[in-house]
Amino acid sequence: GDSVTQMEGPVTLSEEAFLTINCTYTATGYPSLFWYVQYPGEGLQLLLKATKADDKGSNKGFEATYRKETTSFHLEKGSVQVSDSAVYFCALRGVSGNTPLVFGKGTRLSVIA
Amino acid sequence: GAVVSQHPSWVICKSGTSVKIECRSLDFQATTMFWYRQFPKQSLMLMATSNEGSKATYEQGVEKDKFLINHASLTLSTLTVTSAHPEDSSFYICSARDERGRGYTFGSGTRLTVV
Repeated sequence: GDSVTQMEGPVTLSEEAFLTINCTYTATGYPSLFWYVQYPGEGLQLLLKATKADDKGSNKGFEATYRKETTSFHLEKGSVQVSDSAVYFCALRGVSGNTPLVFGKGTRLSVIA
Repeated sequence: GAVVSQHPSWVICKSGTSVKIECRSLDFQATTMFWYRQFPKQSLMLMATSNEGSKATYEQGVEKDKFLINHASLTLSTLTVTSAHPEDSSFYICSARDERGRGYTFGSGTRLTVV
């Protein structure tokens, strides 16, 4: 079945550092790919998404490019802030019908001033 | 944008009691609702999928008699944890899709602690 593999954390960075969180997936066809963010004590919020190969999703300085050849959707940000501290989930939605999202295990990011 | 209101945000209950969690779509019709649970420092695990007016489809290993899901209207789905035990303590979160299948809107989650 479909699956998402995400680099495990926790990741601790200093403010203004470069962030990469790796995400690879296994799925048939061309799934849609998502990054969600979960701030402490809150639910999930969609951060960005891409629905076809070579699409780049971007939001709030975060970017991720849908790479079909490497089945990857790595999350990047050039300069992180303390307010980016959260748990980040990579997820996919399969191509067939009204399917639920399949999530990676999440990566906890802590940004220190 | 689409909003899903989930209540309560947290609840503490005694072993053996039942707890109901509600998810309401505020500005769209949620034809499909997904219910997830999340253990500490782990990912979201799909528990069940419910479509309005029909019985929920449960994932393997999820006890349907313990986790009762009702999706009687297009704007409300409920998850009832029956005869709760400490091992049911978890973070439960719902996710709704509208009739056009546009996006997934998540509730803010419910932290259940069973003592």
